Amino acid sequence: GENVEQHPSTLSVQEGDSAVIKCTYSDSASNYFPWYKQELGKRPQLIIDIRSNVGEKKDQRIAVTLNKTAKHFSLHITETQPEDSAVYFCAATALSGGYNKLIFGAGTRLAVHP
Amino acid sequence: SAVISQKPSRDICQRGTSLTIQCQVDSQVTMMFWYRQQPGQSLTLIATANQGSEATYESGFVIDKFPISRPNLTFSTLTVSNMSPEDSSIYLCSVGSGALTDTQYFGPGTRLTVL
Repeated sequence: GENVEQHPSTLSVQEGDSAVIKCTYSDSASNYFPWYKQELGKRPQLIIDIRSNVGEKKDQRIAVTLNKTAKHFSLHITETQPEDSAVYFCAATALSGGYNKLIFGAGTRLAVHP
Repeated sequence: SAVISQKPSRDICQRGTSLTIQCQVDSQVTMMFWYRQQPGQSLTLIATANQGSEATYESGFVIDKFPISRPNLTFSTLTVSNMSPEDSSIYLCSVGSGALTDTQYFGPGTRLTVL
């Protein structure tokens, strides 16, 4: 079945450094790739997404890149701040019964140290 | 994005009982989804609830255990039936948004503890 692998499972960086989280998907028909940030005790929050017709998308300190050939996509956070500390989930679409559902990666726990 | 609420926000239940979780959206949406998130884990899709049709369940989840209702375009319920401690988890609803309805926004979740 469809699968999304996410690495690393934990990531620790110093404030101001960059952080990169990578995901690989199995379904070549996947065409939408969102990233969610989940703070402790809170709901997952959509922070950025990319569609398969685009190779890169940027929003301030956050960027996502997509390599359709290799079936992987990455989240890049620059100039990290302590408030970036959270669990980040990638996801990819899978077609099911005429609509798209999301398959989530296992998550990456990011810790940004002051 | 839509404003999504869930009730209850948390509950502690005895094994063998059932709990119904409500999900309310402030605008009409076609696609609603129910997820389970066990402690420290990722999000697992339980089922997709479309208005006017039977819910579509994912592998490992069955209607007898997790009956779902979708009476209109702004509301859905998930019932966790005959609960056991293994059902202790966070249950989240989400709504599909955008032209392709594949962009999902999540409700605040319901934290369930089964004793």
